[in-house]
Amino acid sequence: AQKITQTQPGMFVQEKEAVTLDCTYDTSDPSYGLFWYKQPSSGEMIFLIYQGSYDQQNATEGRYSLNFQKARKSANLVISASQLGDSAMYFCAMILTGKLIFGQGTTLQVKP
Amino acid sequence: NAGVTQTPKFQVLKTGQSMTLQCAQDMNHEYMSWYRQDPGMGLRLIHYSVGAGITDQGEVPNGYNVSRSTTEDFPLRLLSAAPSQTSVYFCASRSTRAGELFFGEGSRLTVL
Repeated sequence: AQKITQTQPGMFVQEKEAVTLDCTYDTSDPSYGLFWYKQPSSGEMIFLIYQGSYDQQNATEGRYSLNFQKARKSANLVISASQLGDSAMYFCAMILTGKLIFGQGTTLQVKP
Repeated sequence: NAGVTQTPKFQVLKTGQSMTLQCAQDMNHEYMSWYRQDPGMGLRLIHYSVGAGITDQGEVPNGYNVSRSTTEDFPLRLLSAAPSQTSVYFCASRSTRAGELFFGEGSRLTVL
């Protein structure tokens, strides 16, 4: 069964420090994609980063990087130099065979 | 650039009433989908479509119907609303070739 799991309901990080948000997935399909989205309290879904299963290198977008460990089926999001505006809900998602499913989310709070 | 447009943004229904949430995208995306998000929860896939004339069920399809007569439009119908369908609904679209999932702003539905 295809499944995506975020085991950290909530995380705290000090401003300017780095933080890792965990995501594991389960699929037997060799072709899939992994996403991270941010949802601030205003409710909109903001795309952060994407990793394809065949991509050789870990994806990076500014302060966001995806630590993709295929053998472990993990796709952790690393946020470097946290900012107060990073406080939000973060969702990991997986797409395969036309279907995109989301994890339960992790609430990140950045402390000044 | 309209992107993904959802209407209405807010709706209150009585139990048993029917309604349609509209979703339109102007990016010529093949993939479109509907999600619901309950408080403090992740997004759960209701229905999705990989092209005009093709629809399929997601994780929580019961009580909802969809159709995809054109590439641009993907309406979600509630035939007989129930209080359990009180939620925030998101429509999203994506090119099947690659790239991010684009979200609408969300529709907050309350069923009394």
